[in-house]
Amino acid sequence: SQTIHQWPATLVQPVGSPLSLECTVEGTSNPNLYWYRQAAGRGLQLLFYSVGIGQISSEVPQNLSASRPQDRQFILSSKKLLLSDSGFYLCAWSVVGARGYTFGSGTRLTVV
Amino acid sequence: AQSVTQPDIHITVSEGASLELRCNYSYGATPYLFWYVQSPGQGLQLLLKYFSGDTLVQGIKGFEAEFKRSQSSFNLRKPSVHWSDAAEYFCAVEGNNDMRFGAGTRLTVKP
Repeated sequence: SQTIHQWPATLVQPVGSPLSLECTVEGTSNPNLYWYRQAAGRGLQLLFYSVGIGQISSEVPQNLSASRPQDRQFILSSKKLLLSDSGFYLCAWSVVGARGYTFGSGTRLTVV
Repeated sequence: AQSVTQPDIHITVSEGASLELRCNYSYGATPYLFWYVQSPGQGLQLLLKYFSGDTLVQGIKGFEAEFKRSQSSFNLRKPSVHWSDAAEYFCAVEGNNDMRFGAGTRLTVKP
């Protein structure tokens, strides 16, 4: 069966520090992968999506970047965190040609 | 691009009462519509989805939703709410390469 893993679950980082959040999918090949951010009291904002290795589309210009070094691995990064980067980050995947996403359990990031 | 509006930010209902959460979408093509539920600090769980066919779809946990093309709506309903239904609910519409979500409706259940 397909599963999605996201870590860490919680993270507290100082302003200006780097960030690396990792998401991996098991049990499927060539998934579409997504990073969403959920700020407090707000809905989900699509940050990045990827349809294949090395293929990244950015929805919102910001302090973050994404990479897909392997087929089932999706990484969200920042070189220098801002206070405004705090939020709940969700990774999701979908099957090419199918509809609907499966979400990971999320990472709560607090920038202090 | 597609968009979703959930007019109600917060709804409170008594346990055992009926529930309806509103969702309106905007999309130029055939919409693929979803309802997700999120418990505090958790990821999103799919409740139900609509692609085509019968406009009344059944989901998990006793939820159902009705697609009304003329009103661009996809409202979520439950006949009798349980305390465990307290959570945040998101309506979403999927386009070509992404899924857009509404701002969410937080449901509080009174004893």
